[in-house]
Amino acid sequence: ETGVTQSPTHLIKTRGQQVTLRCSSQSGHNTVSWYQQALGQGPQFIFQYYREEENGRGNFPPRFSGLQFPNYSSELNVNALELDDSALYLCASSSFDSGTETQYFGPGTRLLVL
Amino acid sequence: GENVGLHLPTLSVQEGDNSIINCAYSNSASDYFIWYKQESGKGPQFIIDIRSNMDKRQGQRVTVLLNKTVKHLSLQIAATQPGDSAVYFCAENITPNNAGNMLTFGGGTRLMVKP
Repeated sequence: ETGVTQSPTHLIKTRGQQVTLRCSSQSGHNTVSWYQQALGQGPQFIFQYYREEENGRGNFPPRFSGLQFPNYSSELNVNALELDDSALYLCASSSFDSGTETQYFGPGTRLLVL
Repeated sequence: GENVGLHLPTLSVQEGDNSIINCAYSNSASDYFIWYKQESGKGPQFIIDIRSNMDKRQGQRVTVLLNKTVKHLSLQIAATQPGDSAVYFCAENITPNNAGNMLTFGGGTRLMVKP
């Protein structure tokens, strides 16, 4: 186990709704990255948070937003949900300062948009 | 549990044999590479990593080879066991504009171990 936790484990929403997913990073890690994994594909980078600031963003629209808190936990918010947002959402924690960029993943939140 | 890789390339090996999983990466500027294992219903699990200044790294039962000339990675698993059955992803670490580091994942390979 990596020590990275995510909640909830599963979620069902309808189109147009908003969702908030949560992640607690591994002890000692100050960086959280979020990924979207569609069925049968590899994870796609959404964004990264380091010391409460967005520190890099992938090719996702602005309706995907996030926060990082002083304890380094993080939230991913998705507004105006679309059917294609159905996926496994993964967070990964790492320690950006330490010179080792290894990202350790949580178990994911499975989101289904109907 | 959910099926992580419905249409992934599949490698089927006999228990006890060695497995080799290959991966091509795209960005010659990538400086760090990681192999992850993903079991059904779980997040990716770190297996082994390698920096771009190396061409080989060994762990417990696993070896990663890096060929920067042809932008190719491979993961070798010795004495494959049923517990090795999973989807395997290679990932390259990119630091765009010196802001953050993002992982770009390959498409994945499903490894099936026959008892």
